[in-house]
Amino acid sequence: ETGVTQTPRHLVMGMTNKKSLKCEQHLGHNAMYWYKQSAKKPLELMFVYNFKEQTENNSVPSRFSPECPNSSHLFLHLHTLQPEDSALYLCASSRQGTLHFGNGTRLTVT
Amino acid sequence: DQQVKQNSPSLSVQEGRISILNCDYTNSMFDYFLWYKKYPAEGPTFLISISSIKDKNEDGRFTVFLNKSAKHLSLHIVPSQPGDSAVYFCATRISNFGNEKLTFGTGTRLTIIP
Repeated sequence: ETGVTQTPRHLVMGMTNKKSLKCEQHLGHNAMYWYKQSAKKPLELMFVYNFKEQTENNSVPSRFSPECPNSSHLFLHLHTLQPEDSALYLCASSRQGTLHFGNGTRLTVT
Repeated sequence: DQQVKQNSPSLSVQEGRISILNCDYTNSMFDYFLWYKKYPAEGPTFLISISSIKDKNEDGRFTVFLNKSAKHLSLHIVPSQPGDSAVYFCATRISNFGNEKLTFGTGTRLTIIP
């Protein structure tokens, strides 16, 4: 079992749908992150949570809504997305220094 | 404006030879530098790192070099093996109250030719 688990692995949704991505970490880390990876672009930091408190929102549109109920779980709620939001969404956690990533959710918006 | 640049999108190297991946950065405030490796359908995994107070760090076949004056980072893999075929991301960090905010490059796809 990997330290950071993301579900679902693949998601196809229409522009009017509402869906959620889930991330769970079993490493005892206190910080959790959402990153977006689009083709031919660097990984883009979206949100950072530290001890359940959001400490960074990297100018992410409001159609992406994160939720962190505790230090082990992180959600990304999706609503009225656009086709250009199709990408690999990666969750990560950290304690000191190194980020540990999940395997990502491949999102396709139709 | 990209603060971390990996100018080579791809690199092919013969098995057994040295692979050299390069990374340039613009922000002199970065205090820690990392390399991540990513296989298809998996998340990036940490490979090796170096602090800004050092210029070299070695771990087995992997060595990272840091040239602060040139704002340049490189990863050497020797000897290269087929399992090293992956996308390699350079990342830099400014520590901020426990948030390890990483800035990533676009990645270099390394292919090791048997």
